[in-house]
Amino acid sequence: QVQLVQSGAEVKKPGASVKVSCKASGYTFSDHYIHWVRQAPGQGLEWMGWINPFSGATRYAEKFLPGVTVTRDTSLDTVYMEMTRLKSGDTAVYFCARDRDYPGALDIWGQGTVVTVSP
Amino acid sequence: SFDLTQPPSVSVSPGQTASIICSGSKLGERLASWYQQKPGQSPVLVIYQDDKRPSGIPERFSGSNSGNTATLTISATQAMDEAAYFCQAWDKRTVLFGGGTKLTVL
Repeated sequence: QVQLVQSGAEVKKPGASVKVSCKASGYTFSDHYIHWVRQAPGQGLEWMGWINPFSGATRYAEKFLPGVTVTRDTSLDTVYMEMTRLKSGDTAVYFCARDRDYPGALDIWGQGTVVTVSP
Repeated sequence: SFDLTQPPSVSVSPGQTASIICSGSKLGERLASWYQQKPGQSPVLVIYQDDKRPSGIPERFSGSNSGNTATLTISATQAMDEAAYFCQAWDKRTVLFGGGTKLTVL
C-alpha cells in the first residue's frame, strides 16, 4: 500500500542540526511532490516546504529560510529534511506528506517524527 | 499576505450537523482542502478540491467553497468525528493552513 515511513525520534541540543528521513513506497516516487509540515505541542499545522522528487526543485516557507534544506535520494525513494541551528522553539512533530497532484491536497502522511530541542 | 482563519472551536450534538468555516480573501477562487487530526495521530485528508471525498471517507463529510469562505459540513455527526480540523489552500506555490478548529461532540 501507499505509505510514507519516517525516521525515529530525535533529541538535540540548541545549536545542533537534525536530519529526518521519509521513505516512500507503494507508488512511483518521482510522480508526487513531498511536503514537510511541523506541529509544535498543542499547536496547529505549519507548512515548511516541498520538493519535486523528479527534478529536485524545492520551495520553502520564508520563515524557514535559511536553516531548512529538503533533499531526495531517488535510488532510495527517500526525502530528507535537515534543520540547522536548532532552538527550543523547534521542538515539534515533523510530518512528511505526499501531494496528490501538485498543487493539490496532501493525501498521504507519514507517522511523524518527534524532534525535541533541549539543553 | 493571504491568511486562512478558522474558529478555534465548534460544538455539536451527536446526530446533528456540524459546519466548520475557513475564511480568506477570495478563497473561493482557490481550491480548498480539509484535514482531520485526532490526538496523537497524523492528519487525514477528508475533502480536496473544495468538495471531493477521498476513498474511504464517509459520505457524511462534504465541502463547499465560495466567495471568501470554505465550509466543511459533517452530517449526522458521530462521536468518532471529534477531532481537530484544518483547512488548507495554496498561495503563490506555497501551502497555507488555517489555525484549526476543535470539534467537540457532546
